[in-house]
Amino acid sequence: EAAVTQSPRSKVAVTGGKVTLSCHQTNNHDYMYWYRQDTGHGLRLIHYSYVADSTEKGDIPDGYKASRPSQENFSLILELASLSQTAVYFCASSWDWGRGAETLYFGSGTRLTVL
Amino acid sequence: GDSVTQTEGPVTVSESESLIINCTYSATSIAYPNLFWYVRYPGEGLQLLLKVITAGQKGSSRGFEATYNKETTSFHLQKASVQESDSAVYYCALGGKDYAQGLTFGLGTRVSVFP
Repeated sequence: EAAVTQSPRSKVAVTGGKVTLSCHQTNNHDYMYWYRQDTGHGLRLIHYSYVADSTEKGDIPDGYKASRPSQENFSLILELASLSQTAVYFCASSWDWGRGAETLYFGSGTRLTVL
Repeated sequence: GDSVTQTEGPVTVSESESLIINCTYSATSIAYPNLFWYVRYPGEGLQLLLKVITAGQKGSSRGFEATYNKETTSFHLQKASVQESDSAVYYCALGGKDYAQGLTFGLGTRVSVFP
């Protein structure tokens, strides 16, 4: 069974503070993704990675950095958290890109509240 | 860009009743995108419910069905008789030509099934 675990499950941060969201997968997948979901939007892609030590920008990368130190781990970093970054964040992994047909395996999400 | 529009929730149904969640898409990056339904049960991450990568084909899983209709650009999800365990948030999504763009998700439809 594919497994993607995120930590923390929820977090309250202060405006201007640094936040790190972590994701760990035991699927041996090459591709990992960070999505956010907030009111009025479907899940939107922030960053993704297809190999360790390399990350790529998704659709909404501004205000976020990503880090992929190993195949298993993928972090999302908010250097200066802002109110607009309050959302639920999902990490996902997949074997490959599969021409857009590949199944994504998701973590259970991190609820981030920035005050 | 690509977009997905689905039934606005919440949707409330009684056990053993039928359920339909409408999904229509607009794909500018690819003529015939890959189409997915993901489901998120309470406390869990999103998981794939079904996918169809060929126009005109039908996908099915756990009693749910969806047919890829390229004429109407639709991918409606249906179930003839729902159970309380079907209470969840359902997401329609499409995959484009360049998977580096990830999937385009709808807003999600929250379904509550009452006994």
